[in-house]
Amino acid sequence: DVKVTQSSRYLVKRTGEKVFLECVQDMDHENMFWYRQDPGLGLRLIYFSYDVKMKEKGDIPEGYSVSREKKERFSLILESASTNQTSMYLCASRSTGISYEQYFGPGTRLTVT
Amino acid sequence: GENVEQHPSTLSVQEGDSAVIKCTYSDSASNYFPWYKQELGKRPQLIIDIRSNVGEKKDQRIAVTLNKTAKHFSLHITETQPEDSAVYFCAAANSGYALNFGKGTSLLVTP
Repeated sequence: DVKVTQSSRYLVKRTGEKVFLECVQDMDHENMFWYRQDPGLGLRLIYFSYDVKMKEKGDIPEGYSVSREKKERFSLILESASTNQTSMYLCASRSTGISYEQYFGPGTRLTVT
Repeated sequence: GENVEQHPSTLSVQEGDSAVIKCTYSDSASNYFPWYKQELGKRPQLIIDIRSNVGEKKDQRIAVTLNKTAKHFSLHITETQPEDSAVYFCAAANSGYALNFGKGTSLLVTP
């Protein structure tokens, strides 16, 4: 059973803080993704990674960076948190193979005050 | 890039009725079209997907149809039940990499 976990379910940070969101998957998946989910806007892709140390920008990368030092772990970094980054952040992973299914983590509700 | 439009944004049906959600996409290179269901407070989960070499796929009460010429695909749920109440997202991608999601449809099934 695929398991994708995220470091926190809820997080409250202050404007200007550096924020780290961690995602870990246990299925040896090559591909990992970070989305943000906002009401009425659906899921928007921030960054994705198809291999260790590789990263690709998604649709809304501004204000974010990522790190993938190990295959199982993909981190999202908010260099200087702003109130407009208050959102639900979802991590996902999938293998490189016949199945294109993405498996999602439980999400991190981030509030920036 | 790919743009996915999803309609309606909300849908209310009575238990036992059918529900249809429609999506259009813009990139003719897209060849993978999944549907995800997200129950309140939970993570999105794949319920059905279709690839561009297939026109229709069924799984019990759920079916998806794809019209490549018109660039649209639809989710059909028959004999709806209260537990079908959730937000449904369509998505499109080229070979399954970066999914481009629609904005979601909130489905309410009333007993």
